Amino acid sequence: DAGVIQSPRHEVTEMGQEVTLRCKPISGHNSLFWYRQTMMRGLELLIYFNNNVPIDDSGMPEDRFSAKMPNASFSTLKIQPSEPRDSAVYFCASLPDRGVASPLHFGNGTRLTVT
Amino acid sequence: SQKIEQNSEALNIQEGKTATLTCNYTNYSPAYLQWYRQDPGRGPVFLLLIRENEKEKRKERLKVTFDTTLKQSLFHITASQPADSATYLCALGGEGGGADGLTFGKGTHLIIQP
Repeated sequence: DAGVIQSPRHEVTEMGQEVTLRCKPISGHNSLFWYRQTMMRGLELLIYFNNNVPIDDSGMPEDRFSAKMPNASFSTLKIQPSEPRDSAVYFCASLPDRGVASPLHFGNGTRLTVT
Repeated sequence: SQKIEQNSEALNIQEGKTATLTCNYTNYSPAYLQWYRQDPGRGPVFLLLIRENEKEKRKERLKVTFDTTLKQSLFHITASQPADSATYLCALGGEGGGADGLTFGKGTHLIIQP
């Protein structure tokens, strides 16, 4: 079990550029979550998918953010255009199912710095 | 609005002592509560789950309590070791019995001093 795999681990970009973060969930997990972590706000849920369908995107901060899950083994989070306030660590997590209380399995995150 | 509070300052504990971390919440009726450990540069790792109808859960040197009247969970590490140093996050979920994304506290940074 390779765990949840995120890429890249670090991303540095200039304001206004497009950023794409990638996530491969654990095989067989059918729920996927994107979180953002900052010192000020902690871990915030951005969006989550169940069986590749977005269920709740109310945490997505602005229209500049978009997420897709074209298949069960891949998801992307895109920011276009990026801004310095988007700097944070972005985590992807997966669940085997949406059974109540199932623990989340997190990747090791992508640290995004927008200058 | 929903609010989860954990000790904002780092908690320094001497090796061998019991470390106790607090998670308080308001305006929330969670069906369960989870605790995670996070090391620098890594994602959170699940440790323990406790449901609303449970008072206490144990796993090796870890113990968690859940008081829905006080709206509080306590997380204990007995016989603490320097390797227990990390940030510990509490997460509330399943309000109304749903299985949607967890809401996390900001975490408490625990330092176990040899």
